[in-house]
Amino acid sequence: DAGVTQSPTHLIKTRGQQVTLRCSPKSGHDTVSWYQQALGQGPQFIFQYYEEEERQRGNFPDRFSGHQFPNYSSELNVNALLLGDSALYLCASSFVLTTDTQYFGPGTRLTVL
Amino acid sequence: GQQVMQIPQYQHVQEGEDFTTYCNSSTTLSNIQWYKQRPGGHPVFLIQLVKSGEVKKQKRLTFQFGEAKKNSSLHITATQTTDVGTYFCADFMEYGNKLVFGAGTILRVKS
Repeated sequence: DAGVTQSPTHLIKTRGQQVTLRCSPKSGHDTVSWYQQALGQGPQFIFQYYEEEERQRGNFPDRFSGHQFPNYSSELNVNALLLGDSALYLCASSFVLTTDTQYFGPGTRLTVL
Repeated sequence: GQQVMQIPQYQHVQEGEDFTTYCNSSTTLSNIQWYKQRPGGHPVFLIQLVKSGEVKKQKRLTFQFGEAKKNSSLHITATQTTDVGTYFCADFMEYGNKLVFGAGTILRVKS
């Protein structure tokens, strides 16, 4: 039973570029949440996808967008990258009909130069 | 919005000493979850506390949820070098199924 997987592991971009990060949820999970973890801080909720729609969103600008596919996998897109977008991006999956915990993937380390 | 504060920010202990990290909120917490993140790793779920005054133990780790559900603590007895990492508490908001994390406590253990 595969856990949550994310790709790529590391990514280096320059300011103004766009980036797409990918996440496959744990088997049996239908909800994907994305978090941004800046260095030395706790993860911050970006948004959550269920049934291919954004269910709720944290305090992040519209430059951050996402998508969920019929197989429950998800993408996080960030446009017009800023230096401050450098962070570890974590994907967490869960099953909507339970209050079970979310399972985190290994993350994608994004560096913006 | 909801804020979860964690203290201390950093603690350096001698192996065998105890360690405690505290999590506080000005508003009532829904459910508290605790995570451990090793250096270079991702948060790994440790435990969830749901009920007021709840206490749970995992070997050398003891987790408590305050009576008013506004604070929580994680206590490690006789730390080992394998306990090194950052410990986060997070308010697990069942409505919306999202986590609001504290800033974490970094634990370093000297052998």
